[in-house]
Amino acid sequence: DAGVTQSPTHLIKTRGQQVTLRCSPKSGHDTVSWYQQALGQGPQFIFQYYEEEERQRGNFPDRFSGHQFPNYSSELNVNALLLGDSALYLCASSLRHNEQFFGPGTRLTVL
Amino acid sequence: AQKVTQAQTEISVVEKEDVTLDCVYETRDTTYYLFWYKQPPSGELVFLIRRNSFDEQNEISGRYSWNFQKSTSSFNFTITASQVVDSAVYFCALSEANDYKLSFGAGTTVTVRA
Repeated sequence: DAGVTQSPTHLIKTRGQQVTLRCSPKSGHDTVSWYQQALGQGPQFIFQYYEEEERQRGNFPDRFSGHQFPNYSSELNVNALLLGDSALYLCASSLRHNEQFFGPGTRLTVL
Repeated sequence: AQKVTQAQTEISVVEKEDVTLDCVYETRDTTYYLFWYKQPPSGELVFLIRRNSFDEQNEISGRYSWNFQKSTSSFNFTITASQVVDSAVYFCALSEANDYKLSFGAGTTVTVRA
């Protein structure tokens, strides 16, 4: 049974560029959440998708957007990248409001 | 607003010592969920436990144990007879019943020396 998978593992971009991160949930899970984890800090909630809609959003600007597909996989898009967007981006999946299981993350570096 | 505080930034112990990680939370909800996650150097957050606010029974799982006290808004985590493989960052998190997000503390880095 595959767990949560994320791609790519690492990514280097320059300021102003756009990036798309991908996540496949654990088998049987229908909900995907995205978190940003800056170095030395706890993860911060970006948003959650359920039934292909954004159900809840954290305190992140509109530059951060997402999508959930019919197979429950999800994408996180970040436009107009800033240096401060450099972080580990974690995807978590769950079955509705149960415990969230995390993927290995995508390390984004913005130069 | 919900908040989680992990006052200990780093803890260093010698193998076989016990280590207790503190977690204090704030919430206005009567129904909420508390979690502990482990983040090894690989970066993936590993789920350890979930407790709901109506279940104050302490739990033990192998060398791990959790002490939940609503009176002090604490949900502490103890590793008994620590091992080098326990070295990681440990996060406490809170989720309210009508909220879907996890609110994490800043994490405690545990280093177990051989």
